[in-house]
Amino acid sequence: DGGITQSPKYLFRKEGQNVTLSCEQNLNHDAMYWYRQDPGQGLRLIYYSQIVNDFQKGDIAEGYSVSREKKESFPLTVTSAQKNPTAFYLCASSIGSGKALNTEAFFGQGTRLTVV
Amino acid sequence: GQQLNQSPQSMFIQEGEDVSMNCTSSSIFNTWLWYKQDPGEGPVLLIALYKAGELTSNGRLTAQFGITRKDSFLNISASIPSDVGIYFCAGQLRSTGNQFYFGTGTSLTVIP
Repeated sequence: DGGITQSPKYLFRKEGQNVTLSCEQNLNHDAMYWYRQDPGQGLRLIYYSQIVNDFQKGDIAEGYSVSREKKESFPLTVTSAQKNPTAFYLCASSIGSGKALNTEAFFGQGTRLTVV
Repeated sequence: GQQLNQSPQSMFIQEGEDVSMNCTSSSIFNTWLWYKQDPGEGPVLLIALYKAGELTSNGRLTAQFGITRKDSFLNISASIPSDVGIYFCAGQLRSTGNQFYFGTGTSLTVIP
């Protein structure tokens, strides 16, 4: 069954701790994205990656870090530098602009991070 | 980042009524997408549009890619209770490396 899997679905973190959110896809997509969603707001781009071993900052990258060592995986680390980390985090993937000019983004189920 | 203006912000309708929502942008997009998100879940793709003027249906849903390529609308006919959720538009912008930009969502409530 092809798709994008995010884990865990719920995550609690103490202030001052780093935490890593997992995102795995078996769609053979080149591009992967991390978005943050806050109540009543649209999705804001944190980081994206068009290809393995390469990634770019999005609009709100401060306090976050990513890696893209494998095509299938794009983990997001929320560091202690992120001042307001409580949010719903969404991972997405798409074929990538190298293979198609018009593409769609497909999403995982999301991870709700709460700082306690 | 790019701003997509989505309206209305929320809608409360009777079951059986038709629904219309739209998105506008100051930029020209090469793709328009419409998603539905249930509470606590990730958005699910409903319709994808690739050409200006394109009109595409998916069951009771119909969406159009505006002629100017700066807008899109989504219609839902004969709404049912399971249509409840938040609907997002998204545009893909070739000039920014095919990044996706999202509207702020339309929250739909269907009253049985």
